[in-house]
Amino acid sequence: AQSVAQPEDQVNVAEGNPLTVKCTYSVSGNPYLFWYVQYPNRGLQFLLKYITGDNLVKGSYGFEAEFNKSQTSFHLKKPSALVSDSALYFCAVRGPYSGGGADGLTFGKGTHLIIQP
Amino acid sequence: NAGVTQTPKFQVLKTGQSMTLQCAQDMNHEYMSWYRQDPGMGLRLIHYSVGAGITDQGEVPNGYNVSRSTTEDFPLRLLSAAPSQTSVYFCASSYRDDYYGYTFGSGTRLTVV
Repeated sequence: AQSVAQPEDQVNVAEGNPLTVKCTYSVSGNPYLFWYVQYPNRGLQFLLKYITGDNLVKGSYGFEAEFNKSQTSFHLKKPSALVSDSALYFCAVRGPYSGGGADGLTFGKGTHLIIQP
Repeated sequence: NAGVTQTPKFQVLKTGQSMTLQCAQDMNHEYMSWYRQDPGMGLRLIHYSVGAGITDQGEVPNGYNVSRSTTEDFPLRLLSAAPSQTSVYFCASSYRDDYYGYTFGSGTRLTVV
């Protein structure tokens, strides 16, 4: 079974500082990895994905994520945090599409990112 | 382009009542799914569908039914509501073999009293 771990319930960062939100995963075969962001009382918005290729993936709003196969990690990063980045962030994993059986993304429990002015 | 539309946005039910949460998408996505979001639990997959007429269970299917008679619609039915089903429900859709990420609806906040 596939799984995702986000070890930090909350991450606090001062505005202008770099930020990292951690994610590790477990899946059979090559992983498809995603980051989503959720603002209060809203649905989830897609930030970025890793399917194959370059280990450093760039996404929306200046975010990027680094895929590390040996450490089974996919940490979300941003060089300079903004107060407006404060939100709930979810990492998700999906195994290779099998055409049947269990399907869908498996999400981590989420990390609250708080950017302090 | 409406994307994924969920109705209602809020609902209060009494224990034992039934209801249907509606989900519709206008992007011709083959894949649709229902998740529930609970504090500290992330999102958990309830049911999913890879095309019209095809549905399957996810991680937490008990107490819920789904059907997929058209590509556009994927309603979620609560047969006999229980307080444990108090949650925020999200519908999501994507192309079946396209890993560009899911499009999520804005959610339905359900309270069962």
